[in-house]
Amino acid sequence: GNSVTQMEGPVTLSEEAFLTINCTYTATGYPSLFWYVQYPGEGLQLLLKATKADDKGSNKGFEATYRKETTSFHLEKGSVQVSDSAVYFCALNDYKLSFGAGTTVTVRA
Amino acid sequence: DAGVTQSPTHLIKTRGQQVTLRCSPKSGHDTVSWYQQALGQGPQFIFQYYEEEERQRGNFPDRFSGHQFPNYSSELNVNALLLGDSALYLCASSARTALVETQYFGPGTRLLVL
Repeated sequence: GNSVTQMEGPVTLSEEAFLTINCTYTATGYPSLFWYVQYPGEGLQLLLKATKADDKGSNKGFEATYRKETTSFHLEKGSVQVSDSAVYFCALNDYKLSFGAGTTVTVRA
Repeated sequence: DAGVTQSPTHLIKTRGQQVTLRCSPKSGHDTVSWYQQALGQGPQFIFQYYEEEERQRGNFPDRFSGHQFPNYSSELNVNALLLGDSALYLCASSARTALVETQYFGPGTRLLVL
């Protein structure tokens, strides 16, 4: 079945550091790919998405590119802020969302 | 424009009891999906409702059931609660006819089973 494997955390960074969270997927066909973010005590917020190979999703300084050849959708941000501290989930959509285990990111001032 | 809303926000039950959770989808959305998120894990798909019928179901026992109403709102029912049912229950809504079906989540209901 379809699945997502996500880089394990936790990840601790200093403010203005570069963030990368690796995500690879296994799927039949070409599902849409998503990154969701969950702040403490809250539900999931859509961060960005990509629907086909070579699409780049971007939002709030975060970017991810749908790479068919490496079946990857890595999340990147060039300069993180304390407010980016959260749990990040990679997911693929084949009528339902299949999530990775989540990566906890902590940004220190 | 209100997003996805869920009620209640928190709930405490004892083993063997039954619980009903509620969800109102985002305006313009006709599909509701339910997920269970155990502490420290990613959400797991329970089932999806569209046109008042269960369309897809994940690997959850029959103790988990649901309903969708004509106004697209939905309920999740769990019978004979077990300690392991303690989790955050997330509702997500989407528009089936959208070019890219994107699910938007509510804040969740945190269920504690004692």
